[in-house]
Amino acid sequence: NAGVTQTPKFRVLKTGQSMTLLCAQDMNHEYMYWYRQDPGMGLRLIHYSVGEGTTAKGEVPDGYNVSRLKKQNFLLGLESAAPSQTSVYFCASSWGVTDAFFGQGTRLTVV
Amino acid sequence: SQKIEQNSEALNIQEGKTATLTCNYTNYSPAYLQWYRQDPGRGPVFLLLIRENEKEKRKERLKVTFDTTLKQSLFHITASQPADSATYLCALVSPRSNYQLIWGAGTKLIIKP
Repeated sequence: NAGVTQTPKFRVLKTGQSMTLLCAQDMNHEYMYWYRQDPGMGLRLIHYSVGEGTTAKGEVPDGYNVSRLKKQNFLLGLESAAPSQTSVYFCASSWGVTDAFFGQGTRLTVV
Repeated sequence: SQKIEQNSEALNIQEGKTATLTCNYTNYSPAYLQWYRQDPGRGPVFLLLIRENEKEKRKERLKVTFDTTLKQSLFHITASQPADSATYLCALVSPRSNYQLIWGAGTKLIIKP
């Protein structure tokens, strides 16, 4: 099993550009999450989903949108990238609010 | 404010000794607390979960304690090995957090041969 797969692994964007990060899980998990991780700070929840077709805002949702059209996929969109969105993004999935499985991360730089 | 605090300074331990990492929290009544390991350039990996009504949990060389009076969890690695070197993250789940994980920033552990 692949677990949780994120694409791309690295990306450089110019300010104002848009992009979509893709997360795919093959464990049939209901819950999926998008986090960002910045130096010296804990993981911060951007958006999450408790099932196919549902999404909810986390701690830092501004500037991001998400969609969960299929149970196995959770997409994170940046409509107009800003330098403050330079970060490492992690996707995770879980059966419920218990142990989470993480992807390898996407390192995004906005210049 | 609501906080989870882990020692931001790296912890250096001699191989074979017990490493103890601390996770303190304020303004939460966690339903449970989790510990994860994160290696450079990788995502966190789940290690242990302890519930509010449990004092201690063990898994092989790992032990977690949970003191709701002190608002603290301790994470122990006995007989430490260089391969245990990593950053260790604690995260809690609470009704106050809408049952979503709230994360500490992690403590870097270095095991020296």
